[in-house]
Amino acid sequence: EAGVAQSPRYKIIEKRQSVAFWCNPISGHATLYWYQQILGQGPKLLIQFQNNGVVDDSQLPKDRFSAERLKGVDSTLKIQPAKLEDSAVYLCASSLGRGRPTYNEQFFGPGTRLTVL
Amino acid sequence: GENVEQHPSTLSVQEGDSAVIKCTYSDSASNYFPWYKQELGKGPQLIIDIRSNVGEKKDQRIAVTLNKTAKHFSLHITETQPEDSAVYFCAASSPFSGGYNKLIFGAGTRLAVHP
Repeated sequence: EAGVAQSPRYKIIEKRQSVAFWCNPISGHATLYWYQQILGQGPKLLIQFQNNGVVDDSQLPKDRFSAERLKGVDSTLKIQPAKLEDSAVYLCASSLGRGRPTYNEQFFGPGTRLTVL
Repeated sequence: GENVEQHPSTLSVQEGDSAVIKCTYSDSASNYFPWYKQELGKGPQLIIDIRSNVGEKKDQRIAVTLNKTAKHFSLHITETQPEDSAVYFCAASSPFSGGYNKLIFGAGTRLAVHP
């Protein structure tokens, strides 16, 4: 079974530029998550999708971050404009979905390391 | 808000020794507690998890214990090997409206196993 795919793996941009990350979850997984992991810290949830609907985006800085999952499969996370403090690894994860016995189990992709100069 | 504290932040052991990592959580409604291992340049990988109706779970050299009254849980690795060296994260699942859950992660423990 293929895992969660993310691209690009690395990205370096100047502050005030924009950047987008892509995620393809495990086939059949209804729930998709985007996390931000700052160096030396645990992942912090930014946004959670159930199919193509947002169920939690309380930690998403909505003035500069946006995310979508239009067809309930792939997702993109965008930052515009980027700030220095956005330097982090952006992780995508997926799980089976609410109502399944093991719906809590989240599987992570390799992440995208963003450096903002 | 919900919080998970993890200790120690770094842990160094000799190969063959045991390693113990401890976490406490704040949300008494938390009902699922996974542990993740993260190697350099990779995403976190689920290694074991425990649900709130169970006090202990074992999988070969790895075990997790849960004390719901005290709101703490621990990871135990026995007979450590150099390939166990990584950063380990605990997490607690907090329910929110609509029947959904979100994971709150600890800050991580860097484990080094020396041959």
